[in-house]
Parts: sequence; C-alpha cells; structure tokens
Amino acid sequence: QDHLVESGGGVVHPGRSLRLSCAASGFTFSTYAMHWVRQAPGEGLHWVAVISNDGSYKNYPESVKGRFTISRDNAKSSLYLQINNLRPEDTAVYFCARGGQSTGWHYWAFDIWGQGTMVTVSS
Amino acid sequence: DIQMTQSPSSLSASVGDRVTITCRAGQNINSYLNWYQQKPGKAPKLLIYAASTLESGVPSRFSGSGSGTDFTLTISSLQPEDFATYYCQQSYSTWTFGQGTKVEIK
Repeated sequence: QDHLVESGGGVVHPGRSLRLSCAASGFTFSTYAMHWVRQAPGEGLHWVAVISNDGSYKNYPESVKGRFTISRDNAKSSLYLQINNLRPEDTAVYFCARGGQSTGWHYWAFDIWGQGTMVTVSS
Repeated sequence: DIQMTQSPSSLSASVGDRVTITCRAGQNINSYLNWYQQKPGKAPKLLIYAASTLESGVPSRFSGSGSGTDFTLTISSLQPEDFATYYCQQSYSTWTFGQGTKVEIK
C-alpha cells in the first residue's frame, strides 16, 4: 500500500530553522515527483515546493522562495523540506504529496498524501 | 500564478441532495483541474483528476466536468460521509488551489 509519513514538526522560535522529513513506502519512490503543501490553522491548501523524480528540477512559489529548500534521497525513499528564518506565518500543517511519474508529470494530480506534521512558530 | 475561485464557500445540504460546486480559473487551464475532499484533521483525498476522471476507489456519485476556465464537481446523492471541505486545484502551471467549499449538514 502506497504510504507517506511526515515527521520533524514542532514548536520553534521565529528566525530558527527546521527540517521536515517524509518517508515513502509501498511504491517506487525514485520514479515520482514529490510536493510539499501546507495548511495554516482553519485555512486552505497552499503548494510550497516540488522536486522532480531525480532531483534535477525544483520550484517554489514566490512567497517562500529563498527560505524553503526541497530535497530528496531516493536511496532512502525520503523527501525533505528545509525551512530557514521561520516566521509566525509559516505556522501550518505541512503535508508531503506524490506527484507525477512520467512525461507531463507536472500536469498530474497529487494522488497520495501523508497525514501531515504541524509546525508552530512562536516566541 | 493562476487564481482559482470556488463557489459557494459553504453550503448546507441534506442526505440525498444533489450538490454542485463550481471552480473558475483565472485563465485557460485546458482540463488540468483536480478535485480533493478533506475531512477535519485529515489529509486531502484525490477525488477527480483531469477535470472528469474519477480516481480509483471513489464512489460514482462524484463526477466532474468542464474545461478551459469553468469547472464543476457534482455529488449526485449526498451521503453522510460526504460532509467535508472540497478543493479544486489547477495543475496547468505550477499548482494552486481554490479556497475550498465546506459542505455542511442542513
């Protein structure tokens, strides 16, 4: 069964850094693009990062560019999100999600999601 | 970024009702439109991709239609387990979600 499990969230002070992890199982991780999506308390969903299956392509919305870094280790079937200079507005549940697998992968929907990990930025 | 606008933001309906949610894109996105269901405290679940293709395992009472800028999610006969928030998402140019439509019990 295809499965994603996030970890690494917690309560952090503004200005600090945090690395989130996402462990994949049940599918060939190295063949899929992967995404991070966040959801602030009581709010909607916002895409924050994507990485291609081989790590050669990464992209972010302007709102997080320069502070967020996505990476992956295909040998460990793991996805990561490094968040630097944390701000109170980064407080959210962070989900990892599976993207596309082949030509046109960027058009694919997010078909598998983890349960999310909560990040709270507060002094 | 492509703006996605859903309507209504919330609705009240009864079990057995036919429910329709609309999603409008800020520009032509062909059929690169996906629908998700999210229940409180849970991860989103993919319902429909490419505007009208039902994800495996999703009940046939869910359907999607549209292309270009205007899209619709329809639940033909609302069931108790369908009370949730629904999001549209475009995957034509990076990825953006609508603001969500909360379906509540009347």
